[in-house]
Amino acid sequence: EDQVTQSPEALRLQEGESSSLNCSYTVSGLRGLFWYRQDPGKGPEFLFTLYSAGEEKEKERLKATLTKKESFLHITAPKPEDSATYLCAAYRDGGSQGNLIFGKGTKLSVKP
Amino acid sequence: NAGVTQTPKFRVLKTGQSMTLLCAQDMNHEYMYWYRQDPGMGLRLIHYSVGEGTTAKGEVPDGYNVSRLKKKQNFLLGLESAAPSQTSVYFCASSLGTGRWDFDGYTFGSGTRLTVV
Repeated sequence: EDQVTQSPEALRLQEGESSSLNCSYTVSGLRGLFWYRQDPGKGPEFLFTLYSAGEEKEKERLKATLTKKESFLHITAPKPEDSATYLCAAYRDGGSQGNLIFGKGTKLSVKP
Repeated sequence: NAGVTQTPKFRVLKTGQSMTLLCAQDMNHEYMYWYRQDPGMGLRLIHYSVGEGTTAKGEVPDGYNVSRLKKKQNFLLGLESAAPSQTSVYFCASSLGTGRWDFDGYTFGSGTRLTVV
């Protein structure tokens, strides 16, 4: 069965302390890998799409990378406003779960 | 620039009551989706629609019905007889057709928090 696993479940960082979030996937017919940010009480907000192994995308302090088995979201010198839950999702060809399979998320807390 | 709008934002139901959640999008997206999000379970697809008058089951469809209106930008989620197990946060999302080369993810609404007592 196709699945997406995120680790760690929760991550606490000090402001300025860089780190990475992991998203590993076993998905047949993968067409892309998405990263979303979700703030408390809100819906997920789109961050990045990665389509092929080796691809990288950046936005402010965030950089997403993709290999054939996993994706990383690197956070450089985080600030308290980066605190949120980060979701990854694998986009694949069809299936009962739908085209987009979500991981359970990593809850990031950045303390000043 | 509304994007995806969900109503209501909060609702408390008694077991056995019925209700309808409304989702409206103004981006002329073809595809629309209903998800539920529960602690420790992540986002799970309930039903989805690939166009006006078409719907399909997702991962957890039992206890829910949906309709995609002729005005295709509206997608309704119905609970005919609410149960405590349906207590959750419900998200609607929309997207371009997923077969398109410029597919760029889903746009989500802000959610409906439903409690069934």
